[in-house]
Amino acid sequence: AQSVTQLGSHVSVSEGALVLLRCNYSSSVPPYLFWYVQYPNQGLQLLLKYTSAATLVKGINGFEAEFKKSETSFHLTKPSAHMSDAAEYFCAVSEGSNYQLIWGAGTKLIIKP
Amino acid sequence: DTGVSQDPRHKITKRGQNVTFRCDPISEHNRLYWYRQTLGQGPEFLTYFQNEAQLEKSRLLSDRFSAERPKGSFSTLEIQRTEQGDSAMYLCASSLPQGTGELFFGEGSRLTVL
Repeated sequence: AQSVTQLGSHVSVSEGALVLLRCNYSSSVPPYLFWYVQYPNQGLQLLLKYTSAATLVKGINGFEAEFKKSETSFHLTKPSAHMSDAAEYFCAVSEGSNYQLIWGAGTKLIIKP
Repeated sequence: DTGVSQDPRHKITKRGQNVTFRCDPISEHNRLYWYRQTLGQGPEFLTYFQNEAQLEKSRLLSDRFSAERPKGSFSTLEIQRTEQGDSAMYLCASSLPQGTGELFFGEGSRLTVL
C-alpha cells in the first residue's frame, strides 16, 4: 500500500538558515508528488509538484524539491528561511486511475528570529 | 474570485444539532473532494464526486454524514446529530478530471461542537 512519511513533526530553523523538510514515499509505480503549505486556520496551498518531468522542481516562495527515485524521497528545501515561512507543510503522493492523494502527517516549520 | 469557496468559515453548534457546509468548486473542475482535518493532523479523506456521482466514501464516514452534489456544481456536506468528536476543519477541494491529482483547496469550514 502507498504511504508517505514525513520525518519530524516539528522543524525549527533560524531566520536566514537552510530549510530542509523530509518526505519519503512508498509506491509501486512512478508517482506524482506534491508539497502543500497550510497557514493557521486556512486551507492548503500547493507549493510545488513533481509529475515525471524534471526531477528538480521549483515552487512558489523560493521553495524547491528534488525527486530521487533511488531513495524514494521528495525533500523540500529553501536556501534561506523567512519568518513568513512559518506554517505546516504536507507531502502527498498520488497514483492510480483516480489520482487519490495519500498524505503525510505534516511538518510544522518554526522560524526563530 | 475564481477559487474554491466554502461556507460558513466557522460554525459553533451544540451536540445533537445538524450542520451543513457548502462548497463551490472552481467552475471547470468536475472532481470535488471533502476532507476532515483535526489539529496537528493531515487531511483525512471523506468522499469525492465526479460530476454529480459520488464515487468513493471513506469507511470513516459514518451514517451521520452525507454529501451531495446534485447538479455537478456545488456540494453540501451534512452532519446529523453532531458529536464533540466531529469538531474539526472540513476542507473542500476540486480538481480537473485528467489531472495529476493536484487539488485546489478552499479555506475550510471550522466546526466546533459544544
